[in-house]
Amino acid sequence: KAGVTQTPRYLIKTRGQQVTLSCSPISGHRSVSWYQQTPGQGLQFLFEYFSETQRNKGNFPGRFSGRQFSNSRSEMNVSTLELGDSALYLCASSLGSVQETQYFGPGTRLLVL
Amino acid sequence: QKEVEQNSGPLSVPEGAIASLNCTYSDRVSQSFFWYRQYSGKSPELIMSIYSNGDKEDGRFTAQLNKASQYVSLLIRDSQPSDSATYLCARRGGGADGLTFGKGTHLIIQP
Repeated sequence: KAGVTQTPRYLIKTRGQQVTLSCSPISGHRSVSWYQQTPGQGLQFLFEYFSETQRNKGNFPGRFSGRQFSNSRSEMNVSTLELGDSALYLCASSLGSVQETQYFGPGTRLLVL
Repeated sequence: QKEVEQNSGPLSVPEGAIASLNCTYSDRVSQSFFWYRQYSGKSPELIMSIYSNGDKEDGRFTAQLNKASQYVSLLIRDSQPSDSATYLCARRGGGADGLTFGKGTHLIIQP
């Protein structure tokens, strides 16, 4: 079974731009979560989607948003990029129950200049 | 604020020895706990999940959970150089949150 896939893998943007990242979960998985990983803050939870609805949200500003489609694929968007948004963005999928194990994709490395 | 604390290391262990990684968490609503391994430049990969008090073994790995002490650990037996990585501890509560991760412990297995 194919794992979680994320596109693009690398991205360079400038301050003020916006960016959209994509995540395709493992087949049969209905929950998708997004995380930001930086050297200083570590791995931080952004939001979680299940059946096209945001189920949980972390403590990030409204510039960070996401959505999930009927096929469980998910996108996250960051508007008005700041230098501090440079990070590895990780997507994780699970079957659906909140206690289920989450499996991570390879991540999208975003550099904001 | 739900927090997960780990010693950042580096923790240096000779090849063939037992590596012991520890993690504490701050809340009593945590219900599920996970250990992930992350190699430099890669994404986290699951090592073990544990939900009940006690030990859970999977090959060379044993996870231990003590909810009363709010403590979870990971033992790696017969440590190999390929075990050198950062080990991330994570917890999740009853549903109204995502995974909360510790900052990770950098483990070095010395040949």
